[in-house]
Amino acid sequence: NAGVTQTPKFRILKIGQSMTLQCAQDMNHNYMYWYRQDPGMGLKLIYYSVGAGITDKGEVPNGYNVSRSTTEDFPLRLELAAPSQTSVYFCASSYSASMNTEAFFGQGTRLTVV
Amino acid sequence: AQSVAQPEDQVNVAEGNPLTVKCTYSVSGNPYLFWYVQYPNRGLQFLLKYITGDNLVKGSYGFEAEFNKSQTSFHLKKPSALVSDSALYFCAVRENQAGTALIFGKGTTLSVSS
Repeated sequence: NAGVTQTPKFRILKIGQSMTLQCAQDMNHNYMYWYRQDPGMGLKLIYYSVGAGITDKGEVPNGYNVSRSTTEDFPLRLELAAPSQTSVYFCASSYSASMNTEAFFGQGTRLTVV
Repeated sequence: AQSVAQPEDQVNVAEGNPLTVKCTYSVSGNPYLFWYVQYPNRGLQFLLKYITGDNLVKGSYGFEAEFNKSQTSFHLKKPSALVSDSALYFCAVRENQAGTALIFGKGTTLSVSS
């Protein structure tokens, strides 16, 4: 059972470039999340989804876009990369039948924008 | 809006001593509370959660947490710390309402010395 899989693990982007961070889960979870982690700042919620076709903004959505065409996949898109988007990005998922289930995390994508 | 506060950036304890990592929360309804641990260059791992019932919750690796509704706190504890417990610890809260996301505190670094 793979759980939550994120690709790539590392990436260096130039300012203005675009890229998609991939996230896939094989646990049939409805809820999926994207967080970014910066030193001393904890995890900030970028976007989340409560099911296929439904997405919602989190605390820091500017500069990012998401889509959720299937239950399994929740890609995060950066259109015009900026140095402020240098961070570690984590994708997570949880079962939605009740609010009390824990989230499962991927291993993270370390992104550097230069 | 829901929020989580971890007032300590770092907690230092000697091996064998008890440890406490503090967390307070704010939600408008009933909270679901979680603790996660992150080891260097890894994703977050679930430790324990409070849903309802007994205020003392036991989790993985000998950790436990005490829910205090009047103080809106959910402190993480362990009777006897190990050097291997050294890591970054996150408290998280979710409101008991459909469509809400999991919100994290900024994290507390636990350092256990031998």
